[in-house]
Amino acid sequence: GIQVEQSPPDLILQEGANSTLRCNFSDSVNNLQWFHQNPWGQLINLFYIPSGTKQNGRLSATTVATERYSLLYISSSQTTDSGVYFCAVETGGFKTIFGAGTRLFVKA
Amino acid sequence: DAGVTQSPTHLIKTRGQQVTLRCSPKSGHDTVSWYQQALGQGPQFIFQYYEEEERQRGNFPDRFSGHQFPNYSSELNVNALLLGDSALYLCASSLNRDRHTFGPGTRLTVT
Repeated sequence: GIQVEQSPPDLILQEGANSTLRCNFSDSVNNLQWFHQNPWGQLINLFYIPSGTKQNGRLSATTVATERYSLLYISSSQTTDSGVYFCAVETGGFKTIFGAGTRLFVKA
Repeated sequence: DAGVTQSPTHLIKTRGQQVTLRCSPKSGHDTVSWYQQALGQGPQFIFQYYEEEERQRGNFPDRFSGHQFPNYSSELNVNALLLGDSALYLCASSLNRDRHTFGPGTRLTVT
């Protein structure tokens, strides 16, 4: 089946710093989503981005479907950005596969 | 406008018992997907319901079953509980294949 790999697995930032999270996938996909899971377990949908670039405030994402990767950019990080960031892809069927996540801690 | 709701919030069961978890989708959504998330891991796809039918299933045994009702709400049933079934169970709703909106989850502990 399709493999979804996220890097880095862990990331520690000083408040105000910028970062780039990467998601590689091993086969073509119908769509790709980025999520943020807060410390209480709630998953928030950040982007639905099968291709191209989108921006939402301090966050932006780019998916290059032909090269099978997606990037999530966080600028001017805040302590509230801490948590786990997941990339999830939908395969040719209706199955959504999540990566293992990037655990982000932003220090004040 | 209420988002996705799940009940109960927490549940403790004994090995061998059966459990039913419930999910109400976001208004306007017609598709419900269920996921199991073990501690420290990403969510694992269990199955997806659309038009009251299971249209895709992940690598989970038949002990895991579900149902979708005409109002699009859904149930996840797990029979013959094992210790390894302890996890956070997440429900996500969407309008067909569009973006997922997740509920807060049900934390199941099997003792």
